[in-house]
Formats: sequence, C-alpha cells, structure tokens
Amino acid sequence: EVQLLESGGGLVQPGGSLRLSCAASGFTFSSSAMSWFRQAPGKRLEWVSSVGINTPTNTYYADSVRGRFTISRDNSKNTVYLHMNSLRADDTAVYFCAKGRGSGWNGGDCWGQGTLVTVSS
Amino acid sequence: DIQMTQSPSSLSASVGDTVTITCRASQGISNYLAWFQQKPGKAPKSLIYGVSNLQSGVPSRFSGGGSGTEFTLTISSLQPEDFATYYCQHYNDYPLTFGGGTKVEIK
Repeated sequence: EVQLLESGGGLVQPGGSLRLSCAASGFTFSSSAMSWFRQAPGKRLEWVSSVGINTPTNTYYADSVRGRFTISRDNSKNTVYLHMNSLRADDTAVYFCAKGRGSGWNGGDCWGQGTLVTVSS
Repeated sequence: DIQMTQSPSSLSASVGDTVTITCRASQGISNYLAWFQQKPGKAPKSLIYGVSNLQSGVPSRFSGGGSGTEFTLTISSLQPEDFATYYCQHYNDYPLTFGGGTKVEIK
C-alpha cells in the first residue's frame, strides 16, 4: 500500500524557517517524481514545488515561493523535504506531499494527509 | 500561467442524480488534465488523469471527457460518499494550477 506521511509543520514567526518531511513507503520511491501542494483556509489547492527523479536539475517552484523554499529528496531514506525560509503570513496553509505518476507529475496518484504550517507572531 | 476555471462553483443534487462539472483552461492543454476529490478536513484524492483515465480503485460512475480547453467530470448515479469538493488541475507545464473547485452538496 502506498503511504505518504508528512511531518514538520507547526507555528513559526514571520521570517522564520521550517523543514517539512514526507516519508514514503509502498512504492519505488527513487523512480517517482514528488510534489508539494498547499491549501490555505477556505482556499483552492495551490501547487508549491516538484522534484523529478534527479535533483537538483529537475526541481520546479511556484513564483510565490521561488528563492525562499527548496525541495530535495533523499532516496536512501525514501523521503522528500521542503525547506522553507523567510516565511510570511500568507504561507500559512496545510501542506500536502503527493506522488507523481512515474518520472513526472502526470496527474499524480497518491497524497499524504497534510501538515499544518502557521506563520504568526 | 494557464488559468483554470470551474463551473459551477457549487451545486445541489440528490442521491442517484447525474452531475456534470466543467473545467476550462485559458489555453490548450492537450490531454494534461486531472481531477481530484476533497472532503472537509481531508487530503485530496486523485480521481482521473489524462482527461479520462480513472485512477486505480475509483468507481466507474466517475468519468472524464473533453479536449483542448474544455473538460468535464461526470458523476453518474451520485452516491452519499460523493458529496465533496472537486478540483480540476492542468499539468501541461509548470506552474501546475487548479480550478477554484466545485462543491457538490446534498439537496
């Protein structure tokens, strides 16, 4: 069974940093692209970042996070990370990791349960 | 960036009804269109990829269609567990973008 388990969310002050982790199991992690999405309260889903099967060459970012967030993966630990710096109030959201279909997003096929990030003083 | 527009934003229907949700892209996206279901407080669930391909385990009452810039999600014989919010998403290129969602409520 494919499982994705996010962790690392919490309350952080504006300008602070957090690292989200997504531990994967039940599939060949090294052969799958991975993505992060987020959803602010009452808002639509928003894509944040994606990583292909080869980093750092295949990384992609939304304009709203480029230069502040970094996606990475550790295939030895079956884990994808989202390093978030210079956090702002509008980064407050539930963050979901999701598995791509094969080496790209391709519509995805499995999502984690999400982890809440709150940016507030 | 490609903008995705869904309609309606909400609808009321009864168990057994057939409902159709429309998603329009601001430019052609070939067949790079996916649909997701989300229930309150839960993670999204992948339903359809490539316009019309059902994800594993998704009931056949869900179907997707369309091409170019206009796409549809149809739910035939609506079941109680289908009441949720549905999102379309294009993956023609980055940035990936979602429609605003369609909330399917019980009449």
